Amino acid sequence: GAVVSQHPSWVICKSGTSVKIECRSLDFQATTMFWYRQFPKQSLMLMATSNEGSKATYEQGVEKDKFLINHASLTLSTLTVTSAHPEDSSFYICSAIGVSETQYFGPGTRLLVL
Amino acid sequence: AQTVTQSQPEMSVQEAETVTLSCTYDTSESDYYLFWYKQPPSRQMILVIRQEAYKQQNATENRFSVNFQKAAKSFSLKISDSQLGDAAMYFCAYIPPAGNNDMRFGAGTRLTVKP
Repeated sequence: GAVVSQHPSWVICKSGTSVKIECRSLDFQATTMFWYRQFPKQSLMLMATSNEGSKATYEQGVEKDKFLINHASLTLSTLTVTSAHPEDSSFYICSAIGVSETQYFGPGTRLLVL
Repeated sequence: AQTVTQSQPEMSVQEAETVTLSCTYDTSESDYYLFWYKQPPSRQMILVIRQEAYKQQNATENRFSVNFQKAAKSFSLKISDSQLGDAAMYFCAYIPPAGNNDMRFGAGTRLTVKP
């Protein structure tokens, strides 16, 4: 139980294009999901908290117009990197709250912007 | 603000031996949750163990156990009978009481297991 999937696992795109990453809780409903960014050899950095049916809450320094988050259902949240640039290349991880405040993580998405 | 500190960037242990990873945190809350996550080379974050602050008993999960010292705000992870598959980055994490599920991570400890 408590499986979270992410799609795609790998994406390469040209600078200026937009990329959408999906995060799904497969066997439980998640009213809250989180999006993290992780640079090599560093810890996870919380980007935003995604709440089903409402606007996401962004961490300080995260551009909400660049990283669009939509949480349309209790099992799906999407992160869209708009007008991606090489500095947006990173590893993006989502998580979903399961029982007892435990966060279950997706396998991550590697984004490379050329 | 809550912060989580892992003072050991790297640790090494001999296979079958025991190793302890340190974690301290700072909070003014009395009730919260603490976690240890493992991140192997695949980069999938895997829950190792969790501890509710209101529980005095230290959590145990097979070869993994914690030493939770609430007054000292310390939450160390002990790995017994270390296996090669235990090699990974280990992150300590903190979540405040329900209603604010904002998880904060430590910087991580890279564990190497020597055969």
